[in-house]
Amino acid sequence: KNEVEQSPQNLTAQEGEFITINCSYSVGISALHWLQQHPGGGIVSLFMLSSGKKKHGRLIATINIQEKHSSLHITASHPRDSAVYICAVRSTGTASKLTFGTGTRLQVTL
Amino acid sequence: DTGVSQNPRHKITKRGQNVTFRCDPISEHNRLYWYRQTLGQGPEFLTYFQNEAQLEKSRLLSDRFSAERPKGSFSTLEIQRTEQGDSAMYLCASSYPQPGPSYEQYFGPGTRLTVT
Repeated sequence: KNEVEQSPQNLTAQEGEFITINCSYSVGISALHWLQQHPGGGIVSLFMLSSGKKKHGRLIATINIQEKHSSLHITASHPRDSAVYICAVRSTGTASKLTFGTGTRLQVTL
Repeated sequence: DTGVSQNPRHKITKRGQNVTFRCDPISEHNRLYWYRQTLGQGPEFLTYFQNEAQLEKSRLLSDRFSAERPKGSFSTLEIQRTEQGDSAMYLCASSYPQPGPSYEQYFGPGTRLTVT
């Protein structure tokens, strides 16, 4: 079992829909990251959080440390949101390395 | 500051050849990480430097792989005697220690290696 599990693996939505991507992890963490990866490979950090909730534009990330679960929400989705969204955690006791989920491929259609 | 850069962006090589990739981190970032990502998977940690010291290496990093960061600035990742299983995207990231336990990592565009 992977230390970081994401669901769903693939997601297709119509423009304007509310989207939720889930991440569960099995280790103690000091931080959780949500990353966005577009075709071609470049990775952009969306959020880094260790508790509560963060919001940036149409994106919202929440984390429940007790339940070892995080969600990424996209409100009013748009085709330009189409990308792979990756959850990554920094385990407590490790120097700095991240452990990644396999990603959720999101396709938003018109 | 132009962000993390990696060269080359793409590399096609024949099995058995050696390849070397370069990563230039964001200026003043003293931590540098290498990850490998195969198709359809999330990135996997390979190795990590703080300044010029290589502090951690994954078991994924076989003896055909070597990474250096000689002056604590740019880093190189060399793969000797490449195998088809080495085909992947090689990602570099850098970070600067911030107050608290978390260090934001900034990723480069990656080098896509294809071994034929």
